[in-house]
Amino acid sequence: EVQLVESGGGLVQPGGSLRLSCAASGFTFSSFWMSWVRQAPGKGLEWVANIKQDGSDKNIVDSVKGRFIISRDNAKNSLFLQMNSLRAEDTAVYYCVKESRSRSESDWGQGTLVSVSS
Amino acid sequence: DVVMTQSPLSLPVALGQPASISCRSSQSLVDSDGNTYFNWYHQRPGQSPRRLIYKVSNRDSGVPDKFSGGGSGTDFTLKISRVEAEDVGVYYCMQGTQWPWTFGQGTKVEIK
Repeated sequence: EVQLVESGGGLVQPGGSLRLSCAASGFTFSSFWMSWVRQAPGKGLEWVANIKQDGSDKNIVDSVKGRFIISRDNAKNSLFLQMNSLRAEDTAVYYCVKESRSRSESDWGQGTLVSVSS
Repeated sequence: DVVMTQSPLSLPVALGQPASISCRSSQSLVDSDGNTYFNWYHQRPGQSPRRLIYKVSNRDSGVPDKFSGGGSGTDFTLKISRVEAEDVGVYYCMQGTQWPWTFGQGTKVEIK
């Protein structure tokens, strides 16, 4: 059974930093693109970033470019999102996602809440 | 960025009745590889989203056949043949053809 367990969320002041982690199990982690998707309270979904199997290719949405970094450790079956210079508008639940564009493979974690407030 | 526009944004449906949600993209979602990376997701209150349909019309594993997706190019539709209580929540369309991948605003389905 695929499991994606996010951690690292919490309350942080504007300008602060957080590092989100996603512990993956139940599949061959190194074989999949992985992503982070966020959802502000009561709002819709935003695909924040994704990273190729070996980490050689990454995409990140403009709203967080230069502040967020996606990375992975295949030896530890883990996905990360380093979030710097956090703003109030970054407040959201952040989901770890394993999803194939072309096959019936889609799994989402339960999410971790990041709150940016003074 | 590709803008995804859903309609309606609110959809009251009686139990057992069909439902249909439309999604239009601001540009063609046909990729250079010939595939159209267009998905539908369902999010129940308090839960993580779940993908229902990928590449326009392919149901994900475990998704009942009452859900069907169709369309091409820039216009797409999700149909539920007979709405049940478990189908309430918000439905999102999403394109994965051009980065940044983008979602529609969501359509809230409720029981009338």
